[in-house]
Amino acid sequence: TQLLEQSPQFLSIQEGENLTVYCNSSSVFSSLQWYRQEPGEGPVLLVTVVTGGEVKKLKRLTFQFGDARKDSSLHITAAQPGDTGLYLCAGARGGYNKLIFGAGTRLAVHP
Amino acid sequence: DTAVSQTPKYLVTQMGNDKSIKCEQNLGHDTMYWYKQDSKKFLKIMFSYNNKELIINETVPNRFSPKSPDKAHLNLHINSLELGDSAVYFCASSPRGVPYNEQFFGPGTRLTVL
Repeated sequence: TQLLEQSPQFLSIQEGENLTVYCNSSSVFSSLQWYRQEPGEGPVLLVTVVTGGEVKKLKRLTFQFGDARKDSSLHITAAQPGDTGLYLCAGARGGYNKLIFGAGTRLAVHP
Repeated sequence: DTAVSQTPKYLVTQMGNDKSIKCEQNLGHDTMYWYKQDSKKFLKIMFSYNNKELIINETVPNRFSPKSPDKAHLNLHINSLELGDSAVYFCASSPRGVPYNEQFFGPGTRLTVL
């Protein structure tokens, strides 16, 4: 059983569509991060959310941290082929803020 | 360029061999990590060093031994390689003083054990 569940696992959409991916847990995290990973590369940090209810925007990407700091969502508006990749959420907890990663959502945006 | 670098990028070896992966970061970060990403893309922490001191040691077989000669380097040595060790291994670093443990990842080393 994974501590962080991401859904959906796979998402294939057309350019211009909107989408939301989810990251859920029964545990509380001190912060939650979203990363994007492209084939053959390491994950790259997109955003960190810290406060319950926090919303952050990064161009067409909107990130939200749940009020109880147990879940998060990533919404992409007007998806583009360049958004294609594996989206990973990671929660920080424990004395050294160890990161626990979800299994990821693989997004494919077709022209 | 400032970055986290790993060598080699690809490593193909036979069962039973011993191999090492090297990692260097020139970001000036105090904390470094090793992660393992399996075939299902699940990324799991293995070890963490803070300024050359081991601070996180997950349930990893003792065939895996990290070594940090200085805070800019963290190497991973694996003894008696097994088929199940095949995966992509990522090195990462994180700046001290940032409370949210944001990770800067290297490009990964794809290990294939035959």
